[in-house]
Amino acid sequence: GAVVSQHPSRVICKSGTSVKIECRSLDFQATTMFWYRQFPKKSLMLMATSNEGSKATYEQGVEKDKFLINHASLTLSTLTVTSAHPEDSSFYICSAKGLTGGYGYTFGSGTRLTVV
Amino acid sequence: QKEVEQDPGPLSVPEGAIVSLNCTYSNSAFQYFMWYRQYSRKGPELLMYTYSSGNKEDGRFTAQVDKSSKYISLFIRDSQPSDSATYLCAMSVSGTSYGKLTFGQGTILTVHP
Repeated sequence: GAVVSQHPSRVICKSGTSVKIECRSLDFQATTMFWYRQFPKKSLMLMATSNEGSKATYEQGVEKDKFLINHASLTLSTLTVTSAHPEDSSFYICSAKGLTGGYGYTFGSGTRLTVV
Repeated sequence: QKEVEQDPGPLSVPEGAIVSLNCTYSNSAFQYFMWYRQYSRKGPELLMYTYSSGNKEDGRFTAQVDKSSKYISLFIRDSQPSDSATYLCAMSVSGTSYGKLTFGQGTILTVHP
């Protein structure tokens, strides 16, 4: 089945630094990838939708200059949290939908970001 | 009013029980309905997907959709401790690559031996 690899699974960074999270579709081409944020015991909140080769579409209230998304190929999307602050600490999850092969969004295993 | 409402629980049941998880929605444009299971500190995994009213069965899981009432359910038969997780309903307007998902709040389920 479709596999999405997300890396790193856990990262701790200092306030003011930037962190990059990678999301790769391993055995299929992902035309569209989605980035979510999840707070403890809360549901997933969509941050942005990225389409290969074009600019990401951000949801209302999400700062595009703070959360930089790049979807340069059909198998890789990256989320960079710039100038991270403690309030950015969260669980970030990507998901991808392939070109063909039925319905269903495959999720990565998530990245736990802690900003200290 | 949120587009998708889901009782957050928590729900605690004994092993072997039948579990019923439910979501209601307000957007009549939703056409595709999914249930995801999420273990702690992991990404969600797709359990069931359906796009029509009625029942869909897969092993111990049955997904039910009632579009007229804007109500969906997931039933788990013969529940097992390994079913303990957070269950998320999700919906989308479109089934294409650009159809984004709207999630419910998630229900925390614990199945105790």
